[in-house]
Amino acid sequence: DGGITQSPKYLFRKEGQNVTLSCEQNLNHDAMYWYRQDPGQGLRLIYYSQIVNDFQKGDIAEGYSVSREKKESFPLTVTSAQKNPTAFYLCASSSIAGDVTYNEQFFGPGTRLTVL
Amino acid sequence: AQSVSQHNHHVILSEAASLELGCNYSYGGTVNLFWYVQYPGQHLQLLLKYFSGDPLVKGIKGFEAEFIKSKFSFNLRKPSVQWSDTAEYFCAAANQAGTALIFGKGTTLSVSS
Repeated sequence: DGGITQSPKYLFRKEGQNVTLSCEQNLNHDAMYWYRQDPGQGLRLIYYSQIVNDFQKGDIAEGYSVSREKKESFPLTVTSAQKNPTAFYLCASSSIAGDVTYNEQFFGPGTRLTVL
Repeated sequence: AQSVSQHNHHVILSEAASLELGCNYSYGGTVNLFWYVQYPGQHLQLLLKYFSGDPLVKGIKGFEAEFIKSKFSFNLRKPSVQWSDTAEYFCAAANQAGTALIFGKGTTLSVSS
């Protein structure tokens, strides 16, 4: 059963702590993405990666970090530098053929992070 | 800056009413366009997409969208909504580098039975 898994579903953290959100895909997709969803804001891109060991900042990368050591995994760390981390975080992936990114992205179920 | 605008923040309809949700993107040239839907408690999933060809695109669950290049628009339509269409709808466009999607802020659709 192919898809994207994110864990945990709900996450609570104290202010000042770093926390890592997991994202795994078994779709054999090259590209992976992290978005943040806030009410009335839509989805905003945090980071994306088109190939292993390479990633680029999105529109709101400050206070976040990522790694891409394996094709199927793209964990996101929310650091203590992120001023307003409480949000719903979505991971997505898409395929690339040659130099064309099809851009049709498949989404995971999301992780809701609450900072206490 | 490249952007996607959705005109309606919250739409309330009765069952069997017709639906049209507006979407505009800010840049020209070749563009890939999408509508995604997020049902309560479910994954974001693709409703339909436009890459090229026929500007009238049909998607799942009776939805369709029309790409009008001269208006930079990609409006979503459904002739007769059902209570099960209650969800949040997002329009998205691929950025000009083709490396990521730019999403609109979403439209919440509430359908009463």
